[in-house]
Amino acid sequence: EVQLVESGGGLVKPGGSLRLSCAASGFTFSNTWMSWVRQAPGKGLEWVGRIKSKTDAGTADYAAPLKGRFTISRDDSKNTLYLQMNSLKTEDTAVYYCASDTPGKPFDYWGQGTLVTVSS
Amino acid sequence: QSALTQPASVSGSPGQSITISCTGTSSDVGSYNLVSWYQQHPGKAPKLMIYEVSKRPSGISNRFSGSKSGNTASLTISGLQAEDEADYYCCSYAGYSTDVFGTGTKVTVL
Repeated sequence: EVQLVESGGGLVKPGGSLRLSCAASGFTFSNTWMSWVRQAPGKGLEWVGRIKSKTDAGTADYAAPLKGRFTISRDDSKNTLYLQMNSLKTEDTAVYYCASDTPGKPFDYWGQGTLVTVSS
Repeated sequence: QSALTQPASVSGSPGQSITISCTGTSSDVGSYNLVSWYQQHPGKAPKLMIYEVSKRPSGISNRFSGSKSGNTASLTISGLQAEDEADYYCCSYAGYSTDVFGTGTKVTVL
């Protein structure tokens, strides 16, 4: 059974940093592209970015407004995906989901999400 | 990259069919047959319902179908049931390994 479990959310002050993790199990993580998607309270889904598998160069791509502040990485030895968020703004407050991301069949499995609150 | 445009709400009676539109541009929906649809119940993670415009993942009811014409994709739910009441989001590949979601549609079963 595919399982994705996010962690690392919490309350952070504007300008601060936070690193989210997503522990994966039930599939071959190293062969799988992965994405982060966020949802502000009461709002719609927003694609944050994705990282390809190492066999597909392992590169990361980001939504244009977030490029430069957010960094996605992966540790295939730990079956874990990461999202490093810097220079956080109040508008980054959201539930952050990790999702598996098969080309052509995006976001086929999702975690339960972790809430990030940016507030002074 | 602007969000794809969906109607804020759509409603129907049990047994009826409803269609949700998803309008993008020639840079996303119009250029790629890579539109997907997600169902989200309150407080839950989204669930993939349709991918590559019209394909259904294993386990998804054939009451859900997708199509595309030009810059607009559509999700049709036939034989509407109470459990279909949820938010629905479209998503399209937008080039350069990026994706864009729609604004979301709340489906109400009357």
